[in-house]
Amino acid sequence: SQTIHQWPATLVQPVGSPLSLECTVEGTSNPNLYWYRQAAGRGLQLLFYSVGIGQISSEVPQNLSASRPQDRQFILSSKKLLLSDSGFYLCAWRRGQGDTDTQYFGPGTRLTVL
Amino acid sequence: AQTVTQSQPEMSVQEAETVTLSCTYDTSESDYYLFWYKQPPSRQMILVIRQEAYKQQNATENRFSVNFQKAAKSFSLKISDSQLGDAAMYFCAYRSPNTGNQFYFGTGTSLTVIP
Repeated sequence: SQTIHQWPATLVQPVGSPLSLECTVEGTSNPNLYWYRQAAGRGLQLLFYSVGIGQISSEVPQNLSASRPQDRQFILSSKKLLLSDSGFYLCAWRRGQGDTDTQYFGPGTRLTVL
Repeated sequence: AQTVTQSQPEMSVQEAETVTLSCTYDTSESDYYLFWYKQPPSRQMILVIRQEAYKQQNATENRFSVNFQKAAKSFSLKISDSQLGDAAMYFCAYRSPNTGNQFYFGTGTSLTVIP
């Protein structure tokens, strides 16, 4: 079976510090991977998605970047965090082939920028 | 981009009763997929039910069913025999097979189950 991991689960960082959130998927190959941000009391905003190693698409201009160094690893980064980067970050995966189109989510990372 | 609208920020239901959560979407496509996700206090997003637009039959998963009205672009979720564990945020989502890999989510409905 497939599983998706995210770490850390919670993070408190000062403004201006760097960020690295990691997401890994097990039990599948060549998944499509996604990063979402969920601000308090709001819906999910798609930040990045990736259809393969080194292939990153960005949905909104922002202070964040993403990378996919390995097939099942997706990293969300920032060089300098802003207060507005606080939120709940969710990683998700979807099978890259066939009509199995459901997204499956990781447990999330709660980021607080002070 | 497609938009998904959930017009009910909060809903409540008595335990064992039935509740319906609303979702509408805007699209010019004829083929797409619709989903309901549940996010309990643990914040883990859990798939509740999915519907392919080309299927006329409404999807059903145990106590969860949908009322898919393609012409009206409406996709409501009905929860029967509500249980305390159903209390959560519910998100409606849309995915098009034609515009890359984006999923579009509504802003969610917070469901409270009253014992």
